[in-house]
Amino acid sequence: DGGITQSPKYLFRKEGQNVTLSCEQNLNHDAMYWYRQDPGQGLRLIYYSQIVNDFQKGDIAEGYSVSREKKESFPLTVTSAQKNPTAFYLCASSMGGPDSGTDTQYFGPGTRLTVL
Amino acid sequence: GENVEQHPSTLSVQEGDSAVIKCTYSDSASNYFPWYKQELGKGPQLIIDIRSNVGEKKDQRIAVTLNKTAKHFSLHITETQPEDSAVYFCAAHDYKLSFGAGTTVTVRA
Repeated sequence: DGGITQSPKYLFRKEGQNVTLSCEQNLNHDAMYWYRQDPGQGLRLIYYSQIVNDFQKGDIAEGYSVSREKKESFPLTVTSAQKNPTAFYLCASSMGGPDSGTDTQYFGPGTRLTVL
Repeated sequence: GENVEQHPSTLSVQEGDSAVIKCTYSDSASNYFPWYKQELGKGPQLIIDIRSNVGEKKDQRIAVTLNKTAKHFSLHITETQPEDSAVYFCAAHDYKLSFGAGTTVTVRA
């Protein structure tokens, strides 16, 4: 089965703790993205990566960190510096990055993070 | 940066009727416009997209139109069915995807 997987589906965190969300894809896509979705709002870009070992900040990167050590994997760490981390987090991938003409993004099922 | 506005925020239609969702964008450099459908608790699913060199695209009951001069694009769903009930998002792509706030569509049986 080809696609994007995110784990866990639900995650609970105590205030002050860092937590890492997993995103894996077997589509052989070069580019990967992390978005945050809040109730009644559209998706906002946190970070994106067009190639292994390279990534760029999106619109709301503060309090988050990422790594891209493998093409298939793009984990997101929500740090204690993120002031309001409770949200639905979505990972996406595309064959190419922006301006490539192959930038159609496909999304994973999401991780719902709740800070207790 | 790009600003995408989406209307209406909620839409209720009778089964079999048509639904239309409209989006406007601000950056004339945007050249790619996808539409996503999101069911409760799931990730968005791409349903149709259009690039700036095309004015209209159809896929069965779904169509998208683009007016680059006016900087707006629309999603049309014909012969709506209960399974069309979901949240729909438009997006515009210049160097990144910018999303509208979403439209909650309810199809009444």
